[in-house]
Amino acid sequence: GAGVSQSPSNKVTEKGKDVELRCDPISGHTALYWYRQRLGQGLEFLIYFQGNSAPDKSGLPSDRFSAERTGESVSTLTIQRTQQEDSAVYLCASSSLGGRYNEQFFGPGTRLTVL
Amino acid sequence: RKEVEQDPGPFNVPEGATVAFNCTYSNSASQSFFWYRQDCRKEPKLLMSVYSSGNEDGRFTAQLNRASQYISLLIRDSKLSDSATYLCAVNFDRGSTLGRLYFGRGTQLTVWP
Repeated sequence: GAGVSQSPSNKVTEKGKDVELRCDPISGHTALYWYRQRLGQGLEFLIYFQGNSAPDKSGLPSDRFSAERTGESVSTLTIQRTQQEDSAVYLCASSSLGGRYNEQFFGPGTRLTVL
Repeated sequence: RKEVEQDPGPFNVPEGATVAFNCTYSNSASQSFFWYRQDCRKEPKLLMSVYSSGNEDGRFTAQLNRASQYISLLIRDSKLSDSATYLCAVNFDRGSTLGRLYFGRGTQLTVWP
């Protein structure tokens, strides 16, 4: 079946502009996660959605970052007034409540470059 | 102390060799454990979940040691295609397998002919 998809695959923007990144989870997966990975670094958690529960926003680095999810479908991650340190690969993952171990499956990521 | 730690390597081994990676974690309440593989400029791909009793998938064996708070990955008969970065990931949520994963920074493996 189809995996997690993300768009755009690459985004180059100027400092100070807003960007919106999109994630389509695997169909039927109720949990959705955003992580980011800076060059040469590990994965950094940003935000987690599970069904209709309040999202876990504990990883968002500043109030310039926000994310939304409509039901159990698409999620968008918005970064306002982008800064150069926001340059990273933004990865989305989804998982199923029915999974025994909460295996998370990742999309291909959006590579964001802030000039 | 970082929540999840790995030796960054690099590990450089010849084809056919056996190689092992360890990963330590800081939270004794951790519920679930995983190994991911990440190729250069690609997303992490789930390699194995790590079960309490240990588990094997072909040439790959994963083990969990709760007392010492580490997980391990053993690769036997290494192939050139095993060259990648191996990430361990741990869920820390008490009583639940949901929630964020904490990732190590990865161990780089290169298998040479």
